[in-house]
Amino acid sequence: AQKITQTQPGMFVQEKEAVTLDCTYDTSDQSYGLFWYKQPSSGEMIFLIYQGSYDEQNATEGRYSLNFQKARKSANLVISASQLGDSAMYFCAMREARFGNEKLTFGTGTRLTIIP
Amino acid sequence: DSGVTQTPKHLITATGQRVTLRCSPRSGDLSVYWYQQSLDQGLQFLIQYYNGEERAKGNILERFSAQQFPDLHSELNLSSLELGDSALYFCASSVQGLAATEQFFGPGTRLTVL
Repeated sequence: AQKITQTQPGMFVQEKEAVTLDCTYDTSDQSYGLFWYKQPSSGEMIFLIYQGSYDEQNATEGRYSLNFQKARKSANLVISASQLGDSAMYFCAMREARFGNEKLTFGTGTRLTIIP
Repeated sequence: DSGVTQTPKHLITATGQRVTLRCSPRSGDLSVYWYQQSLDQGLQFLIQYYNGEERAKGNILERFSAQQFPDLHSELNLSSLELGDSALYFCASSVQGLAATEQFFGPGTRLTVL
């Protein structure tokens, strides 16, 4: 079963608008972590934001925020006031609480294109 | 700049050959992870080392091996290369495991097998 699902293969958004990238996950663990990464066309993976399963408040980092709905098992990334430089692939990832195995499991990504 | 370094940036080689990819983690990070990103498989975890010891294995082929040295840098060895091994190989590092709220990636090594 897919552990991380990103249902939007591509999105087009007008510059300066807010955008929400969807991510749902599947785990039976109580303790886990959720990550978002940005991959521009140059290829590097840029860490954006982290949310722990026990964190009561949604994580925020500048223009990025994570809309964490634990009961629905969703961890959507919200980018406010989008900019042309936000055009990239975005990946959601999960780290489950298995000692000795802190790997990240990634979704298939969403390609975001910001339109001027 | 994530602080994770990887060399080389690009590698072009022929089928049947062997290559070594190198990674230096961020200062202070003891865990090193290797991931493969290919068009058909997406981003897949290969292997993790922690302070010199293998910690976890993912979908890593038997033709691939890795190690982490006392200075914490890591090498991923790929042998008997096939066309399908062409991919972007990432190294990532973090502080010790489950408490880590970040996992930083290096710039990647793009391997092309001809």
